[in-house]
Amino acid sequence: EVQLVESGGGLVQPGGSLRLSCAASGFTLSSYGMNWVRQAPGRGLEWISYISVSGTTIYYADSVRGRFTISRDNAKNSLYLQMSSPRAEDTAVYYCATIRVSTSGSDGFDIWGQGTMVTVSS
Amino acid sequence: DIQMTQSPSTLSASVGDRVTITCRASQSISSWLAWYQQKPGKAPKLLIYKASTLESGVPSRFSGSGSGTEFTLTISSLQPDDFATYYCQQYTSYFVAFGQGTKVEI
Repeated sequence: EVQLVESGGGLVQPGGSLRLSCAASGFTLSSYGMNWVRQAPGRGLEWISYISVSGTTIYYADSVRGRFTISRDNAKNSLYLQMSSPRAEDTAVYYCATIRVSTSGSDGFDIWGQGTMVTVSS
Repeated sequence: DIQMTQSPSTLSASVGDRVTITCRASQSISSWLAWYQQKPGKAPKLLIYKASTLESGVPSRFSGSGSGTEFTLTISSLQPDDFATYYCQQYTSYFVAFGQGTKVEI
């Protein structure tokens, strides 16, 4: 079965740190650009970061730039999000998602994990 | 940054109804638009990409149209499984943006 499984969520204090992981099974993560998307309780979806297949191209939303770091280990079929200096407003469910690319361009985010909850509170 | 605005925010409908959700972009995005369905406690599911291409396995009662700045998602005959929140997403670049969502409820 093709799936992504996030882990590493939990309670973290403001100003602390937390590392989220996203493991792929049933397919090779190294074939896909990857994204992190989050959803605050009762709110909509917010894209926060992208990393290319090779890991050489990285983008962040303004809301997390300078505090969060996306990375990947293709040998381990895994994606990561290092959260540093989190704030209360970073409280959300964090999803990893693949971006499917065809010969005519991108086809959107086609594989999503089940999400991992991060709560930032003292 | 490109902003995406969906309307309505909430839509009340009945089984069998034809439902239309609108998504507007703050600037032209050509056809680089996707639609997702999300049910409570679940991850989003890709329904449509490139504005009008149905994702494999998605029922044909779902359809998408539009280009440039105005797009629509139509459900031709609403089924009980379709009560959910729907999001549009622009992906002209890797800085993607989602609409705020439309909740379809009874």
